[in-house]
Amino acid sequence: DTGVSQDPRHKITKRGQNVTFRCDPISEHNRLYWYRQTLGQGPEFLTYFQNEAQLEKSRLLSDRFSAERPKGSFSTLEIQRTEQGDSAMYLCASSSSGEQETQYFGPGTRLLVL
Amino acid sequence: GNSVTQMEGPVTLSEEAFLTINCTYTATGYPSLFWYVQYPGEGLQLLLKATKADDKGSNKGFEATYRKETTSFHLEKGSVQVSDSAVYFCALSPFGSWGKFQFGAGTQVVVTP
Repeated sequence: DTGVSQDPRHKITKRGQNVTFRCDPISEHNRLYWYRQTLGQGPEFLTYFQNEAQLEKSRLLSDRFSAERPKGSFSTLEIQRTEQGDSAMYLCASSSSGEQETQYFGPGTRLLVL
Repeated sequence: GNSVTQMEGPVTLSEEAFLTINCTYTATGYPSLFWYVQYPGEGLQLLLKATKADDKGSNKGFEATYRKETTSFHLEKGSVQVSDSAVYFCALSPFGSWGKFQFGAGTQVVVTP
């Protein structure tokens, strides 16, 4: 069990650029979640997948954000036309069907938009 | 809607002191409750959980009891170490909607030698 992994760990970009983050969940975990965490705050739910289906999206997820999980394994989160307000830590988590209520988190991707 | 409120930090303690971090929640039904810990530069690690009323979660000397009558899930440790310095998050997972975790704002704990 290698845990949830995320790539990259850090990303610096200029305003207006597009960025994409990847998350690899714990193997055989069918649910995958994305959160955003700003400094001094708890994580805020963005969206989650069960297998390849995106089941719920937060109102925080504007039209510039899109997430995919094409084969029900890894997931990508893309932010188009980044803004300085997008600067945050983006966390990914996964859970299994036998323990749906418990989420295991990756190390996060820290995004800085200049 | 669902919400979690936890005590503000930072909480500064001497080594071997007793630690309590208060957490209260608002939710419909019977959520599952969690404490996560975040060490500097790292992601969230599950510390302990309780899935029904009166359950006690415990791990690494930390304990928390799910109190439905007071809608609370306070975290305690009898004797803290410097290595316990971290940010602690209380969270709930709503029953029947496991995807939407609701986190508190976090409490920073600083343990000094």
